[in-house]
Amino acid sequence: TQLLEQSPQFLSIQEGENLTVYCNSSSVFSSLQWYRQEPGEGPVLLVTVVTGGEVKKLKRLTFQFGDARKDSSLHITAAQPGDTGLYLCAIPEGNQFYFGTGTSLTVIP
Amino acid sequence: EAGVTQFPSHSVIEKGQTVTLRCDPISGHDNLYWYRRVMGKEIKFLLHFVKESKQDESGMPNNRFLAERTGGTYSTLKVQPAELEDSGVYFCASSQAHRDILRGEQFFGPGTRLTVL
Repeated sequence: TQLLEQSPQFLSIQEGENLTVYCNSSSVFSSLQWYRQEPGEGPVLLVTVVTGGEVKKLKRLTFQFGDARKDSSLHITAAQPGDTGLYLCAIPEGNQFYFGTGTSLTVIP
Repeated sequence: EAGVTQFPSHSVIEKGQTVTLRCDPISGHDNLYWYRRVMGKEIKFLLHFVKESKQDESGMPNNRFLAERTGGTYSTLKVQPAELEDSGVYFCASSQAHRDILRGEQFFGPGTRLTVL
């Protein structure tokens, strides 16, 4: 059973468009992290959200943690080709760390 | 400051052979983690070292996998004998304190892509 479900799995958009990707679970989390991974590299942290309903902004990226702390979304405004990559959500649980399957985003110039 | 490094970046071996992957964590980081991403699946935790001690190895798939961290510096992950299903990308990460991963202060290496033919 997958703890974290991410959608969509793949997304291809034109430069300048907006997009939202989602991370959902039936479990409640104490915190959730979003990462971006580029080909040949490891995941790089974008943001950590802790409080239900929390919204964090990182330039054109807006991250939201659901009120019930069971889901999160990442919204990108005016996507750029440099936003291309694999977006992963992840949670610490006990002594381990669990990742979602990721959303592979391609931004076409 | 150098990040987490992994060697080799790619490895192609035949079923039944042995492969050893190496991870050099960020200097001073006591906590070292191994993860694996099999094609089409999520990144999964394999094990966690604190210095030279295995803190949690519950994610190790089976006894064909052996991880070591002699001296508490770099770590190796040996697969012997390798099977087809072991193909994937193996990531290493390190953190100064285990609780740092709650803040996202867990730094990943670029991974080793293992292909077993």
